[in-house]
Amino acid sequence: GAVVSQHPSWVICKSGTSVKIECRSLDFQATTMFWYRQFPKQSLMLMATSNEGSKATYEQGVEKDKFLINHASLTLSTLTVTSAHPEDSSFYICSAPPDSGQGYGYTFGSGTRLTVV
Amino acid sequence: AQSVTQLDSQVPVFEEAPVELRCNYSSSVSVYLFWYVQYPNQGLQLLLKYLSGSTLVKGINGFEAEFNKSQTSFHLRKPSVHISDTAEYFCAVVKRGYQKVTFGIGTKLQVIP
Repeated sequence: GAVVSQHPSWVICKSGTSVKIECRSLDFQATTMFWYRQFPKQSLMLMATSNEGSKATYEQGVEKDKFLINHASLTLSTLTVTSAHPEDSSFYICSAPPDSGQGYGYTFGSGTRLTVV
Repeated sequence: AQSVTQLDSQVPVFEEAPVELRCNYSSSVSVYLFWYVQYPNQGLQLLLKYLSGSTLVKGINGFEAEFNKSQTSFHLRKPSVHISDTAEYFCAVVKRGYQKVTFGIGTKLQVIP
Protein backbone atom coordinates (compact mmCIF):
# COMPACT_ATOMS: atom_id res chain seq x y z
CA GLY A 1 0.00 0.00 0.00
CA ALA A 2 0.88 3.66 -0.13
CA VAL A 3 3.53 4.80 2.32
CA VAL A 4 4.49 8.28 3.44
CA SER A 5 7.87 8.52 5.10
CA GLN A 6 8.22 11.40 7.55
CA HIS A 7 11.51 12.56 9.05
CA PRO A 8 12.70 13.27 11.62
CA SER A 9 10.59 11.37 14.13
CA TRP A 10 11.58 13.75 16.86
CA VAL A 11 13.69 16.85 17.11
CA ILE A 12 14.79 19.16 19.88
CA CYS A 13 15.93 22.61 18.89
CA LYS A 14 16.86 25.85 20.54
CA SER A 15 14.50 28.77 20.52
CA GLY A 16 15.11 30.98 17.50
CA THR A 17 16.37 28.26 15.20
CA SER A 18 14.59 26.69 12.25
CA VAL A 19 13.55 23.09 11.81
CA LYS A 20 12.70 21.29 8.59
CA ILE A 21 10.35 18.31 8.46
CA GLU A 22 10.20 16.14 5.35
CA CYS A 23 7.48 13.93 4.02
CA ARG A 24 8.13 11.64 1.10
CA SER A 25 5.65 9.47 -0.74
CA LEU A 26 7.56 6.26 -1.32
CA ASP A 27 5.59 4.33 -3.90
CA PHE A 28 3.20 6.84 -5.35
CA GLN A 29 3.09 10.42 -6.48
CA ALA A 30 1.51 12.91 -4.13
CA THR A 31 0.46 16.08 -5.86
CA THR A 32 -1.05 17.22 -2.59
CA MET A 33 0.13 16.91 0.99
CA PHE A 34 -1.75 17.98 4.08
CA TRP A 35 0.10 19.20 7.16
CA TYR A 36 -1.46 18.79 10.57
CA ARG A 37 -0.55 19.87 14.04
CA GLN A 38 -1.64 18.02 17.11
CA PHE A 39 -1.58 19.51 20.57
CA PRO A 40 -1.64 17.28 23.64
CA LYS A 41 -5.08 15.85 24.30
CA GLN A 42 -6.46 17.46 21.17
CA SER A 43 -7.32 16.38 17.70
CA LEU A 44 -5.41 17.04 14.54
CA MET A 45 -5.76 20.52 13.18
CA LEU A 46 -5.10 21.13 9.52
CA MET A 47 -2.44 23.77 9.10
CA ALA A 48 -1.95 23.92 5.37
CA THR A 49 -2.19 22.08 2.10
CA SER A 50 0.84 21.89 -0.13
CA ASN A 51 0.48 21.42 -3.86
CA GLU A 52 3.24 20.44 -6.22
CA GLY A 53 4.02 23.32 -8.55
CA SER A 54 2.04 25.98 -6.73
CA LYS A 55 1.89 27.85 -3.46
CA ALA A 56 0.62 26.19 -0.35
CA THR A 57 -2.82 27.00 0.98
CA TYR A 58 -2.87 27.91 4.66
CA GLU A 59 -5.75 27.57 7.06
CA GLN A 60 -7.03 30.60 8.87
CA GLY A 61 -4.83 31.63 11.75
CA VAL A 62 -1.70 29.83 10.55
CA GLU A 63 1.29 32.11 10.01
CA LYS A 64 2.60 31.64 6.50
CA ASP A 65 5.96 33.19 7.27
CA LYS A 66 6.49 30.97 10.27
CA PHE A 67 5.45 27.68 8.76
CA LEU A 68 7.05 27.51 5.34
CA ILE A 69 5.76 24.76 3.14
CA ASN A 70 7.41 23.65 -0.05
CA HIS A 71 6.22 20.91 -2.36
CA ALA A 72 9.43 20.41 -4.26
CA SER A 73 8.41 17.40 -6.32
CA LEU A 74 5.67 14.83 -6.72
CA THR A 75 7.23 12.80 -3.92
CA LEU A 76 8.50 15.42 -1.48
CA SER A 77 6.84 18.03 0.68
CA THR A 78 8.59 19.92 3.48
CA LEU A 79 7.48 22.01 6.41
CA THR A 80 9.97 24.42 7.90
CA VAL A 81 9.24 25.94 11.28
CA THR A 82 11.17 29.19 11.22
CA SER A 83 12.45 30.97 14.32
CA ALA A 84 10.90 28.31 16.49
CA HIS A 85 9.64 29.15 19.95
CA PRO A 86 8.53 26.91 22.81
CA GLU A 87 4.87 27.42 21.86
CA ASP A 88 5.65 25.76 18.52
CA SER A 89 6.39 22.54 20.36
CA SER A 90 3.90 20.03 19.08
CA PHE A 91 3.38 16.88 17.06
CA TYR A 92 3.34 17.50 13.33
CA ILE A 93 1.90 14.98 10.89
CA CYS A 94 1.69 14.98 7.12
CA SER A 95 -0.90 13.17 5.07
CA ALA A 96 -1.29 12.42 1.41
CA PRO A 97 -4.70 11.84 -0.12
CA PRO A 98 -5.19 8.86 -2.41
CA ASP A 99 -4.18 9.42 -6.02
CA SER A 100 -7.74 9.42 -7.21
CA GLY A 101 -8.81 11.94 -4.60
CA GLN A 102 -11.91 9.89 -4.01
CA GLY A 103 -11.51 9.46 -0.29
CA TYR A 104 -10.34 5.90 -0.18
CA GLY A 105 -8.21 6.53 2.85
CA TYR A 106 -5.46 8.94 3.50
CA THR A 107 -1.89 7.88 4.14
CA PHE A 108 -0.26 9.50 7.14
CA GLY A 109 3.36 9.96 7.98
CA SER A 110 4.58 8.69 11.33
CA GLY A 111 4.71 12.19 12.77
CA THR A 112 7.42 14.49 14.10
CA ARG A 113 7.60 15.44 17.75
CA LEU A 114 9.11 18.95 17.91
CA THR A 115 10.36 20.28 21.21
CA VAL A 116 11.68 23.82 21.33
CA VAL A 117 13.75 24.67 24.37
CA ALA B 1 -19.08 22.61 6.93
CA GLN B 2 -18.93 19.14 8.36
CA SER B 3 -18.14 18.32 11.97
CA VAL B 4 -17.38 15.22 13.99
CA THR B 5 -18.28 14.56 17.61
CA GLN B 6 -16.68 11.83 19.63
CA LEU B 7 -18.75 11.63 22.75
CA ASP B 8 -16.23 9.92 25.01
CA SER B 9 -12.75 11.31 25.59
CA GLN B 10 -11.65 8.20 27.49
CA VAL B 11 -13.00 4.68 27.58
CA PRO B 12 -11.60 2.17 30.07
CA VAL B 13 -12.47 -1.45 29.42
CA PHE B 14 -11.28 -4.77 30.73
CA GLU B 15 -9.36 -7.10 28.49
CA GLU B 16 -11.55 -9.46 26.45
CA ALA B 17 -14.62 -7.30 27.05
CA PRO B 18 -16.50 -5.69 24.16
CA VAL B 19 -16.14 -1.99 23.42
CA GLU B 20 -17.99 0.65 21.45
CA LEU B 21 -16.48 4.03 20.63
CA ARG B 22 -19.09 6.53 19.58
CA CYS B 23 -18.90 8.95 16.71
CA ASN B 24 -21.53 11.31 15.34
CA TYR B 25 -21.13 13.63 12.42
CA SER B 26 -22.98 16.46 10.82
CA SER B 27 -22.85 17.45 7.20
CA SER B 28 -25.20 18.95 4.69
CA VAL B 29 -23.81 16.74 1.94
CA SER B 30 -22.76 13.13 1.53
CA VAL B 31 -19.53 12.16 3.22
CA TYR B 32 -16.98 9.42 3.54
CA LEU B 33 -16.33 8.22 7.09
CA PHE B 34 -13.15 6.86 8.64
CA TRP B 35 -11.74 5.54 11.87
CA TYR B 36 -8.04 5.91 12.57
CA VAL B 37 -5.90 4.60 15.41
CA GLN B 38 -2.89 6.41 16.82
CA TYR B 39 -0.37 4.72 19.06
CA PRO B 40 1.82 6.94 21.28
CA ASN B 41 4.15 9.20 19.30
CA GLN B 42 3.10 7.66 16.03
CA GLY B 43 1.11 8.75 13.02
CA LEU B 44 -2.38 7.59 12.21
CA GLN B 45 -3.25 4.20 10.85
CA LEU B 46 -6.47 3.57 8.99
CA LEU B 47 -8.73 1.08 10.77
CA LEU B 48 -11.66 1.14 8.39
CA LYS B 49 -13.65 3.36 6.09
CA TYR B 50 -17.16 3.73 4.79
CA LEU B 51 -17.50 4.97 1.23
CA SER B 52 -20.76 3.44 0.08
CA GLY B 53 -22.63 0.16 -0.02
CA SER B 54 -23.01 -2.05 3.04
CA THR B 55 -23.44 -0.03 6.19
CA LEU B 56 -21.46 -2.53 8.25
CA VAL B 57 -17.79 -2.09 7.61
CA LYS B 58 -15.10 -4.44 8.81
CA GLY B 59 -11.57 -3.22 9.38
CA ILE B 60 -8.24 -4.40 10.67
CA ASN B 61 -7.53 -5.84 14.10
CA GLY B 62 -11.08 -7.16 14.48
CA PHE B 63 -12.77 -3.76 14.50
CA GLU B 64 -15.99 -2.96 12.73
CA ALA B 65 -18.23 0.07 12.40
CA GLU B 66 -21.78 0.67 11.30
CA PHE B 67 -22.90 3.65 9.33
CA ASN B 68 -26.32 4.88 10.42
CA LYS B 69 -27.51 7.63 8.15
CA SER B 70 -30.67 8.47 10.09
CA GLN B 71 -28.71 8.90 13.31
CA THR B 72 -25.66 10.34 11.54
CA SER B 73 -23.47 7.97 13.49
CA PHE B 74 -20.49 5.77 12.74
CA HIS B 75 -19.74 3.91 15.96
CA LEU B 76 -16.70 1.68 16.21
CA ARG B 77 -16.97 -1.72 17.88
CA LYS B 78 -14.87 -4.68 18.82
CA PRO B 79 -16.32 -7.79 20.50
CA SER B 80 -13.23 -8.58 22.56
CA VAL B 81 -10.41 -6.13 23.17
CA HIS B 82 -6.77 -6.88 23.76
CA ILE B 83 -4.12 -4.99 25.68
CA SER B 84 -2.55 -4.02 22.38
CA ASP B 85 -5.70 -2.11 21.45
CA THR B 86 -4.79 0.57 23.98
CA ALA B 87 -4.45 3.68 21.83
CA GLU B 88 -6.27 6.78 20.73
CA TYR B 89 -8.98 6.44 18.13
CA PHE B 90 -10.08 9.20 15.79
CA CYS B 91 -13.27 9.37 13.81
CA ALA B 92 -12.98 11.43 10.63
CA VAL B 93 -15.16 12.65 7.80
CA VAL B 94 -14.45 13.82 4.28
CA LYS B 95 -17.00 15.61 2.18
CA ARG B 96 -17.49 13.73 -1.08
CA GLY B 97 -15.66 15.38 -3.90
CA TYR B 98 -13.25 17.11 -1.56
CA GLN B 99 -10.00 16.13 0.07
CA LYS B 100 -9.89 17.88 3.43
CA VAL B 101 -10.38 15.64 6.42
CA THR B 102 -12.19 16.75 9.56
CA PHE B 103 -11.22 14.83 12.68
CA GLY B 104 -13.02 14.27 15.92
CA ILE B 105 -11.24 15.07 19.14
CA GLY B 106 -10.29 11.45 19.69
CA THR B 107 -11.15 8.75 22.22
CA LYS B 108 -8.49 7.15 24.36
CA LEU B 109 -9.15 3.47 24.77
CA GLN B 110 -7.51 2.05 27.88
CA VAL B 111 -7.60 -1.72 28.08
CA ILE B 112 -7.24 -2.95 31.64
CA PRO B 113 -5.62 -6.35 32.19
